[in-house]
Amino acid sequence: DAKTTQPTSMDCAEGRAANLPCNHSTISGNEYVYWYRQIHSQGPQYIIHGLKNNETNEMASLIITEDRKSSTLILPHATLRDTAVYYCIVRVAHAGNMLTFGGGTRLMVKP
Amino acid sequence: GAVVSQHPSRVICKSGTSVKIECRSLDFQATTMFWYRQFPKKSLMLMATSNEGSKATYEQGVEKDKFLINHASLTLSTLTVTSAHPEDSSFYICSAREGTSGTQEQFFGPGTRLTVL
Repeated sequence: DAKTTQPTSMDCAEGRAANLPCNHSTISGNEYVYWYRQIHSQGPQYIIHGLKNNETNEMASLIITEDRKSSTLILPHATLRDTAVYYCIVRVAHAGNMLTFGGGTRLMVKP
Repeated sequence: GAVVSQHPSRVICKSGTSVKIECRSLDFQATTMFWYRQFPKKSLMLMATSNEGSKATYEQGVEKDKFLINHASLTLSTLTVTSAHPEDSSFYICSAREGTSGTQEQFFGPGTRLTVL
């Protein structure tokens, strides 16, 4: 699976949009982009995933560049409960294929 | 989303004892379950992939005789840490994927914090 690069940490003001970037320049055509987050001492929580089109759900939006070499996760109105480590993962969508976690971005939402 | 539970949430044991951790998919059938370990301030590291009815596949460096995995049904996988030592103290997390479609997301359990004294 392709490797991803994310900033180590980011701050965001409560109520503002949080934009978390991810570089995956070696992504291949059959690899999806997944985003998970992990709140302290809890298991990771699925947020969103996509292949090439932008995606939106009740939690976030995923913007994937046209060349697919990078993506941005957008939390439109960050709250204090969004403070967590956010992981960007690319993987081939095979049934038995596991998720490989990198370092992630530690997002701190501040009042 | 689908729910995955783990039991116990916390366990403290003496060195040399064995500890069993259960992972259950509560509202879906999981053909494949995964076990991860996470040390403080570190990312999740995959330990093994568990397929229902067959032997688990362990990642390099993970001792299969020490970390016994059983996936006896489509809703239950267990991880047994045998002869636990203080260095096995960690946060153990399982995940499960619904069905056989590779595009479906994995759902994670809340984790089990193991402390070996």
